[in-house]
Amino acid sequence: DIQMTQSPSSLSASVGDRVTITCRASQNINNYLNWYQQKPGRAPKFLIYAASSLQSGVPSRFSGSGSGTAFTLTINTLQPEDFATYYCQQSYSSPWTFGQGTRVEI
Amino acid sequence: QLQLQESGPRLVKPSETLSLICTVSGGSISSSSYYWGWIRQPPGKGLEWIGSVSYTGTTDYNPSLKSRLTIAIDTSKNQFSLKLSSVSAPDTAVYSCVAQSSSTWGWFESWGQGALVTVSS
Repeated sequence: DIQMTQSPSSLSASVGDRVTITCRASQNINNYLNWYQQKPGRAPKFLIYAASSLQSGVPSRFSGSGSGTAFTLTINTLQPEDFATYYCQQSYSSPWTFGQGTRVEI
Repeated sequence: QLQLQESGPRLVKPSETLSLICTVSGGSISSSSYYWGWIRQPPGKGLEWIGSVSYTGTTDYNPSLKSRLTIAIDTSKNQFSLKLSSVSAPDTAVYSCVAQSSSTWGWFESWGQGALVTVSS
């Protein structure tokens, strides 16, 4: 199985900050990397596919980058509704696996 | 827009079989645009992909659960199901049904609200 490791596990930030979350894969996954946002008690919401392509309707302050084994999710100008847990997921090979999550809190 | 809803018992005894059904609305489960799957999340923990089924009935299972797992599709009812046998306490989790895009990057596009299933006597 491909292991996905996110860092940090949690971070504290303020409204208006720029936040960067890192996701590393245990092997080369090209750009087969997706990002999700999950708020407490809610199902995850799909944000980004192919490492850097925004799902329709996702605000442009979200961006993704990377290829191979190292990826980042950046949130520019953090908004109150962005406080949540973020997960990366590889879609290179089954079984599909997720990072352990990064909690963004105030 | 696709909507998915899980149904089934929320309390299962150890060694018994966990059974859930996902009802899909807003689209046809016979669509080739999606795989229909299950993901679970133990309380306070991360996400684990369980497995999926295509509209043709072809399945793909997580090897860690494969020996206990059955996922099936019922196109006549626009539903698919999950059966996990011989459950124990570590199987306690929120179980979510998902629609996974069949495109190259296979993202999990739509999620059910999730069903907390507790394994306890």
